[in-house]
Amino acid sequence: AQSVAQPEDQVNVAEGNPLTVKCTYSVSGNPYLFWYVQYPNRGLQFLLKYITGDNLVKGSYGFEAEFNKSQTSFHLKKPSALVSDSALYFCAVRPPDSNYQLIWGAGTKLIIKP
Amino acid sequence: DTGVSQNPRHKITKRGQNVTFRCDPISEHNRLYWYRQTLGQGPEFLTYFQNEAQLEKSRLLSDRFSAERPKGSFSTLEIQRTEQGDSAMYLCASSLAQGSEQYFGPGTRLTVT
Repeated sequence: AQSVAQPEDQVNVAEGNPLTVKCTYSVSGNPYLFWYVQYPNRGLQFLLKYITGDNLVKGSYGFEAEFNKSQTSFHLKKPSALVSDSALYFCAVRPPDSNYQLIWGAGTKLIIKP
Repeated sequence: DTGVSQNPRHKITKRGQNVTFRCDPISEHNRLYWYRQTLGQGPEFLTYFQNEAQLEKSRLLSDRFSAERPKGSFSTLEIQRTEQGDSAMYLCASSLAQGSEQYFGPGTRLTVT
């Protein structure tokens, strides 16, 4: 079965330190990969996506993500965390044979401490 | 604001009542999606429209749920005979084309008492 795993329920980082939120997937072929962020009582906001090309993609708010095909991973990163980055982060994957389907991870709560 | 909008933002209803939610997508987006999200979980796909055509409906969705997009613009999601298990955040999203990212509205939080 196709799936997306976010192995950490919560990640704690001190402000100013680099952060990584992990995502691995089990989808055949070459899927499209996405990261979304959700602030409390808000809808999801698109951060970045990978379709093809450079394995390092840059997105909103200084976030970037690295695609690793051999490890089927798409980890979200930021060089220097801000307290305002504290939120819930979701990884999502669209299988290549789907027009619409997104397979979602369970989410990782990111807490940035001052 | 030209983003996706949803109304109402909050709805409290008694078990057995019908509720209807509205979603207005980004104007040039021809694809529209409905999801349900419960606390601590990722979104669960409900249904998908391309223009006015409903192309897919989750098998997890009971017959009490119905969605329309009559003119290919706004969409409504109706839940008939609500149950306590229907309590969740209902999210709407839209996108421009296959492969493009989905843009989400703020959601409608439904509480069934």
